[in-house]
Amino acid sequence: EAGVVQSPRYKIIEKKQPVAFWCNPISGHNTLYWYLQNLGQGPELLIRYENEEAVDDSQLPKDRFSAERLKGVDSTLKIQPAELGDSAVYLCASSLRSSGGAADTQYFGPGTRLTVL
Amino acid sequence: GQNIDQPTEMTATEGAIVQINCTYQTSGFNGLFWYQQHAGEAPTFLSYNVLDGLEEKGRFSSFLSRSKGYSYLLLKELQMKDSASYLCAVKHTDKLIFGTGTRLQVFP
Repeated sequence: EAGVVQSPRYKIIEKKQPVAFWCNPISGHNTLYWYLQNLGQGPELLIRYENEEAVDDSQLPKDRFSAERLKGVDSTLKIQPAELGDSAVYLCASSLRSSGGAADTQYFGPGTRLTVL
Repeated sequence: GQNIDQPTEMTATEGAIVQINCTYQTSGFNGLFWYQQHAGEAPTFLSYNVLDGLEEKGRFSSFLSRSKGYSYLLLKELQMKDSASYLCAVKHTDKLIFGTGTRLQVFP
């Protein structure tokens, strides 16, 4: 079974430029998550989707970050414009559901390492 | 609020046993997960506890005490490849809150 796929793996951009990350979750997983992970820290949730609905975007900086999951499968996360402080690893994860129990187990993609110069 | 504490770093010797502790304060507890993360790679799922007690899975075991807000991950017969960060994550209602991780270094 294929895991969570993310691209690109690495991205270097100059500040004020836009950037987009793509995620394809595990087949059949209804719930998709985007996390941000800084060096030496645990992942922090940015947004959670149940199918195509964003059910928790309280931690997403909406002035510059946006996300979509149009058909309830693939998702993109965009930053426009990027700032120096956005340099981090952006992780995508998916789970069967998120309402409790072992089926909540989240499986992570390899992440996109963003460097903003 | 939620607070998760785990040691920042630990060292151990190949073949030994190591216990990584995690304490948490959170309302709406809905399970605890342990993940392993090698440098530059994605977190990978190790274990899930929602009831008190010990869950054993090969060389790895995880324990939970909900009344004490405490969990540990036990790694036996350590191998060099076990050098990684170990993340404790608590399910708070429907959100997963991660600790900062414990970086384990295994020496020969």
